[in-house]
Amino acid sequence: AQSVTQLGSHVSVSEGALVLLRCNYSSSVPPYLFWYVQYPNQGLQLLLKYTSAATLVKGINGFEAEFKKSETSFHLTKPSAHMSDAAEYFCAVSDPWAGGTSYGKLTFGQGTILTVHP
Amino acid sequence: DAGITQSPRHKVTETGTPVTLRCHQTENHRYMYWYRQDPGHGLRLIHYSYGVKDTDKGEVSDGYSVSRSKTEDFLLTLESATSSQTSVYFCAISEGTGDYGYTFGSGTRLTVV
Repeated sequence: AQSVTQLGSHVSVSEGALVLLRCNYSSSVPPYLFWYVQYPNQGLQLLLKYTSAATLVKGINGFEAEFKKSETSFHLTKPSAHMSDAAEYFCAVSDPWAGGTSYGKLTFGQGTILTVHP
Repeated sequence: DAGITQSPRHKVTETGTPVTLRCHQTENHRYMYWYRQDPGHGLRLIHYSYGVKDTDKGEVSDGYSVSRSKTEDFLLTLESATSSQTSVYFCAISEGTGDYGYTFGSGTRLTVV
């Protein structure tokens, strides 16, 4: 079964500092990987996704993530944090080899709350 | 914005009562999902649907049932609400499997007292 682990339930950075949110997956084959962001009292929005086309994926709001098969990781980064980046971030995985039988189900990590200090 | 709405947005109910949450989409997507969100657990899949009248259980389906009688509506029913079902419930839709990802509704905050 697919699983995903987000290291660190809370990450705190200063405005302008590097943001690094960690995600590791467990899968025997490279899966599809996603990062979602959730602002307070809202649903989740797609930040970016890895679909095997390129290992470095750029998303919205200046975020990017790099797929590293050898490390089974898909860490999310942003060079310079902004106050508006404060939110909860979720990594998610789906199995590309299950085909139609997966029914597109995503397995989510536990979430990482990002706090940005002035 | 994607056409997905959840109702109600907030609900307080008493233990032992049945509760139905509604998810409505205007995107004509085949796949629909119900998740619950709890601190420290991320999102956990309750039930999902891959077509009209085609549904299946997720990892935390006990105490929940679903129905999908038409493409646009996916209902989640708590048969007899318990305090452990106090949570935020999210509906999501997807147009396909694989790398499509989800579009989420705004969520329903349910409190069982």
